[in-house]
Amino acid sequence: EVQLVQSGAEVKKPGESLRISCKASGYSFSNYWISWVRQMPGKGLEWMGRIDPTDSDTSYSPSFQGHVTISVDKSISTAYLHWSSLKASDTARYYCARDQGLYSENDFWGQGTLVTVSS
Amino acid sequence: DIVMTQSPESLAVSLGERATVFCRSSQSLLHSPINKNYLAWYQQKPGQPPKLLIHWASTRESGVPDRFRGSGSGTDFTLTISSLQAEDVAVYYCQQYFGTVRTFGQGTKVEIK
Repeated sequence: EVQLVQSGAEVKKPGESLRISCKASGYSFSNYWISWVRQMPGKGLEWMGRIDPTDSDTSYSPSFQGHVTISVDKSISTAYLHWSSLKASDTARYYCARDQGLYSENDFWGQGTLVTVSS
Repeated sequence: DIVMTQSPESLAVSLGERATVFCRSSQSLLHSPINKNYLAWYQQKPGQPPKLLIHWASTRESGVPDRFRGSGSGTDFTLTISSLQAEDVAVYYCQQYFGTVRTFGQGTKVEIK
């Protein structure tokens, strides 16, 4: 059974750094990309970027380029989303999703990680 | 980036009646060599992650009831729920995956009238 299990909720202050995780199981991790999607409170879905675990090649939405970093650790089948300096506007739920590659949809999703940034 | 525009923002339909959601893209999503449209539909129920319903604009995922139907090509797409059930109350999103940057529509909230 394909599963994407995300790390737990986080409460941080503006300016702090954060890394959240997405652990995959039930399939060959290197054969699929991982995408990250933001959902701000009461709002819609925003695609942030994706990573190919094979070579760590990444692609970001211009809206998120330079503000977040996506990485992977193939040895533990885990993808990460990292902020070096959080803003209050980063408060949202973040989902990871399996991605079958170029020209493909997101077929399995994690449960989401709620990130709250508040002074 | 390709812009996806959904309509309406919300709709209320009686149980057993048809619900129709529209999605328009700012450029064609048709990949002519294989005659496939790179358009997916997702369902998100309150407190849950999105669930993939349809890919290639009209191919239902395994286990998705056949009352859900996707149609359209090029820039204009439709998700139809032929006979709305109580468990279909959700927000529905279209997503294009033609471009390097994937984008979602803003979502359509489907409720029971």
